[in-house]
Amino acid sequence: DAGVTQSPTHLIKTRGQQVTLRCSPKSGHDTVSWYQQALGQGPQFIFQYYEEEERQRGNFPDRFSGHQFPNYSSELNVNALLLGDSALYLCASNLGMTGGYEQYFGPGTRLTVT
Amino acid sequence: GESVGLHLPTLSVQEGDNSIINCAYSNSASDYFIWYKQESGKGPQFIIDIRSNMDKRQGQRVTVLLNKTVKHLSLQIAATQPGDSAVYFCAEDASSSNTGKLIFGQGTTLQVKP
Repeated sequence: DAGVTQSPTHLIKTRGQQVTLRCSPKSGHDTVSWYQQALGQGPQFIFQYYEEEERQRGNFPDRFSGHQFPNYSSELNVNALLLGDSALYLCASNLGMTGGYEQYFGPGTRLTVT
Repeated sequence: GESVGLHLPTLSVQEGDNSIINCAYSNSASDYFIWYKQESGKGPQFIIDIRSNMDKRQGQRVTVLLNKTVKHLSLQIAATQPGDSAVYFCAEDASSSNTGKLIFGQGTTLQVKP
């Protein structure tokens, strides 16, 4: 049973550039959430996708956007990168809109902005 | 506002002893709480959860206690093992219907001494 997978593992970008991160949910899951985890901090909720729509959003600017595909996989896009966007980006999946518990996390994508 | 915080940043215990990790939350309306374990280079791993209609829940070697009166959550690990060394996060579902908008605390580092 495949767990949550994310790509790439690591990424280095320059300020002002744009980045796309990818996530495949755990088999059987249809809801994907994205989190940003700065070094030494807990993850912070960015947004959640269900039925190919953004259903919930945290306190992140519009530079952060996403997409969910019919196969439930998801992308996180960040435009106009800032140094402060350097972090571990985590994807989590669960089943259904009321399955908030037992979110399964992927290993994350480490983004470094220089 | 909503926040979840940890009382201690680092906890050091002897192998075989019991560990207790504490967490305070501020949103009295929160209905669902989760503990995650995060090892270096990995995403958070679900440990145990508890709903607000319970005050205690047990898993394998772990127990979560919820005190709604003082808005306090704790994770007890019995017979702590070296493999338990990790950062532990408590999380609170900040959505109105437990749809998975998780608010994480800062984390407590558990160090197990052999």
